[in-house]
This record gives sequence, C-alpha cells and structure tokens, in this order.
Amino acid sequence: GAVVSQHPSWVICKSGTSVKIECRSLDFQATTMFWYRQFPKQSLMLMATSNEGSKATYEQGVEKDKFLINHASLTLSTLTVTSAHPEDSSFYICSAINRDGGEDEQYFGPGTRLTVT
Amino acid sequence: TQLLEQSPQFLSIQEGENLTVYCNSSSVFSSLQWYRQEPGEGPVLLVTVVTGGEVKKLKRLTFQFGDARKDSSLHITAAQPGDTGLYLCAGAFNTNAGKSTFGDGTTLTVKP
Repeated sequence: GAVVSQHPSWVICKSGTSVKIECRSLDFQATTMFWYRQFPKQSLMLMATSNEGSKATYEQGVEKDKFLINHASLTLSTLTVTSAHPEDSSFYICSAINRDGGEDEQYFGPGTRLTVT
Repeated sequence: TQLLEQSPQFLSIQEGENLTVYCNSSSVFSSLQWYRQEPGEGPVLLVTVVTGGEVKKLKRLTFQFGDARKDSSLHITAAQPGDTGLYLCAGAFNTNAGKSTFGDGTTLTVKP
C-alpha cells in the first residue's frame, strides 16, 4: 500500500528555536497533504492543508506565521514550528492524498513527537 | 462542539468479549472512515464506507454506515489484546476533497 514517511520521528528542542518536520509520500505523488496535531489520548486536530505549488490553507485558530508550511514538490511537504514554546509540544502527523485510483485515499505518516523544553 | 461524537470514549474489556463503538453526527457525510492508531504511530485506515446502510466486514470487525449517512458503528467480535488501540472515525463531506473531520476517538483496552 501507499507509504508516507515523516522525519524526524521525534525531536527535542529548546524554547525559542525553530523545528522543521518533513512529510514525504514515498510511492505516489500528492498534490495535497494535511498537517494534524494530536495531544495525548485525544483525537487529531487538523492544522492546515498543504497544496503543492501554492499557499497552505490554515484552519481557524492556527497561526500561519508560527506554523510555516512549504509544499515545494509533489512528494514533500514541510512544517516548520517557529519560535517553539513548551505548549507547542505535541504529536504532529501528516497525511497525503493519493488520487491514482480515481478516488481520494488518505494515508497517514507515522507522526513526529515534538518536545519543547 | 465536536462535529463527530464517538462513544464510548474509553472501553476496557476482557479477551473474547464483543464490543461496539459508535460514531454520531448531525451532519451528512459523503464518506466515513475508521482508523486504528497505536501509541506513537499514525492512524491506519481500516475501512471506508460511502453508501447509506452499507455494511463491511474485515475479519472480526464489522462496520456499518447509517442509512442517512450521519452515523456509523464498529463492532468487534471476540476481541483480542491485539485489538487494543485508539479507534477513530473520520467523515468527509466531499469524496474528492480528502479533507476529513475526526471524531474524538475511543480508547480500547483488551485484557488477556
């Protein structure tokens, strides 16, 4: 089946620094990817829609200047958490849409655990 | 207000028991997905249902989409410890959009 990878799988950074998370579709091209955030024992909350070659669409309440999204190619989207703070500590998950079969199929990455100290 | 409500939120049962998880909404979805997620990993798609009244079976798992496409259920027969995990339903309003709204999840623990 389709595979989506994320890098790194976990990262610890100091407050005030920036962290970049990569999301790659390994065996299909994805014009659309999504970034989610998940707190312990909670569901996924959509942060933004990443569109290849255009600006990302952010959900209400998500700061676009803090969570920078770049979808520069059909297989890669990046999420940069700028000036990270402890409250940004969370599990960040991306998903990619595979339209090769004629219908949208959403595949999730394994997630990135971010801890801000 | 959560668009998709799942119940129960937590469920702890003994191996061999049956269980049902519900996913309810006041909105009509074009499709609904069920995912299973283990700690520290991303969600894995179990099934997609698109037709009102549709029933799909995946080994010991039975998924049903409500006639009005507003609700769904997941029934597990003879649960096993390997079924332990977070079960998420997600509804999409447009079959070609891929953008889904997730329920708040059901944490299932199956004790041996």
